[in-house]
Amino acid sequence: RKEVEQDPGPFNVPEGATVAFNCTYSNSASQSFFWYRQDCRKEPKLLMSVYSSGNEDGRFTAQLNRASQYISLLIRDSKLSDSATYLCVVIPGGGSARQLTFGSGTQLTVLP
Amino acid sequence: EAGVAQSPRYKIIEKRQSVAFWCNPISGHATLYWYQQILGQGPKLLIQFQNNGVVDDSQLPKDRFSAERLKGVDSTLKIQPAKLEDSAVYLCASSLGPREKLFFGSGTQLSVL
Repeated sequence: RKEVEQDPGPFNVPEGATVAFNCTYSNSASQSFFWYRQDCRKEPKLLMSVYSSGNEDGRFTAQLNRASQYISLLIRDSKLSDSATYLCVVIPGGGSARQLTFGSGTQLTVLP
Repeated sequence: EAGVAQSPRYKIIEKRQSVAFWCNPISGHATLYWYQQILGQGPKLLIQFQNNGVVDDSQLPKDRFSAERLKGVDSTLKIQPAKLEDSAVYLCASSLGPREKLFFGSGTQLSVL
């Protein structure tokens, strides 16, 4: 099993739709979680951190389910500009500074 | 606040040639990462520095790749000799610490012909 797995996509949704992505992780000691957005031929940019209690930033909601070992990203009222690849990042806990792991990304296309 | 600076933006070389990439992280960021991203895949960590020390280079192909961060600030990544499969985007990222959020540079797109 991969350390971090994401819905492969692609997700093609109409403008205004609600879409959700999941990301599962295998290391139960994982400590920090983030969602990054990557536009075509651009570098990844931090979208939002994921907190244990769940958090919201405008149209975006991130949630963490430690029992089932997954994080999710919900996008409401999708805009054309939301079209991008969404990468989840999982950072293990523990005393050693082990590498953080990126998922392979979920491609979203919002259609007019 | 200045972001992570990388150069060059693009590089085209022939196989068996050498190439070097440069990265200057955000000021004050102790942790620096080099990632390789092949089209359609997520970034893959090559090497992680904490100040000028290597924390993790387990996925660095050491027979051909090398990296250094001598003064704990900027860093260079070298490939010698390059292979066709090294064609990818090489991303540098930095963070305040090893479990903090990463900030990426714009990357170097390498094409090996």
